[in-house]
Amino acid sequence: DAGVIQSPRHEVTEMGQEVTLRCKPISGHDYLFWYRQTMMRGLELLIYFNNNVPIDDSGMPEDRFSAKMPNASFSTLKIQPSEPRDSAVYFCAISGTGSYEQYFGPGTRLTVT
Amino acid sequence: AQTVTQSQPEMSVQEAETVTLSCTYDTSENNYYLFWYKQPPSRQMILVIRQEAYKQQNATENRFSVNFQKAAKSFSLKISDSQLGDTAMYFCAFSLLQGGSEKLVFGKGTKLTVNP
Repeated sequence: DAGVIQSPRHEVTEMGQEVTLRCKPISGHDYLFWYRQTMMRGLELLIYFNNNVPIDDSGMPEDRFSAKMPNASFSTLKIQPSEPRDSAVYFCAISGTGSYEQYFGPGTRLTVT
Repeated sequence: AQTVTQSQPEMSVQEAETVTLSCTYDTSENNYYLFWYKQPPSRQMILVIRQEAYKQQNATENRFSVNFQKAAKSFSLKISDSQLGDTAMYFCAFSLLQGGSEKLVFGKGTKLTVNP
């Protein structure tokens, strides 16, 4: 996981609160992905960026979810307001053009009570 | 749409033995990549092996090898000389090679337990 840093590693919040998850990739990538993992639904792609531009956000479940990538070294996934059903592990992953394999961060475990 | 199916929710194997995890996929495209990822209890997603669809030779990485059957749309993972550290969830994944899209589609995973 040395290629991608995610923070926080664990987040516990109350329903209705705003949650911001952070991802800091190393340089050399062109693509950045946000995934959500739950027992029921497995790994789901939420959104991905190419050169900091959002390409496909069709996996974002609701308007409560938003993601930004202001520069190549930083991305955020925000949930506002959070709900208990948002409890999951959220992964950030990166890849380079033409490599197709993705390298994942350690994930953020989000619990919404 | 592409789909990936892993029909074995759970498997177990004795240490030092060989185990094969199954994966099938569905696509009408001809150019794509296939991957196996490992997720140990630490929940870190680790790339195990990849296979380019245009290559006939099966990929191998140390104790891990694949059996890629393109016509059957099958992509199984063989782990030889299983070790306790191989205990993990294993995910099969598919990626199209077109339009710059790098999206991965994952299967539901197979939970592998290696017993001492």
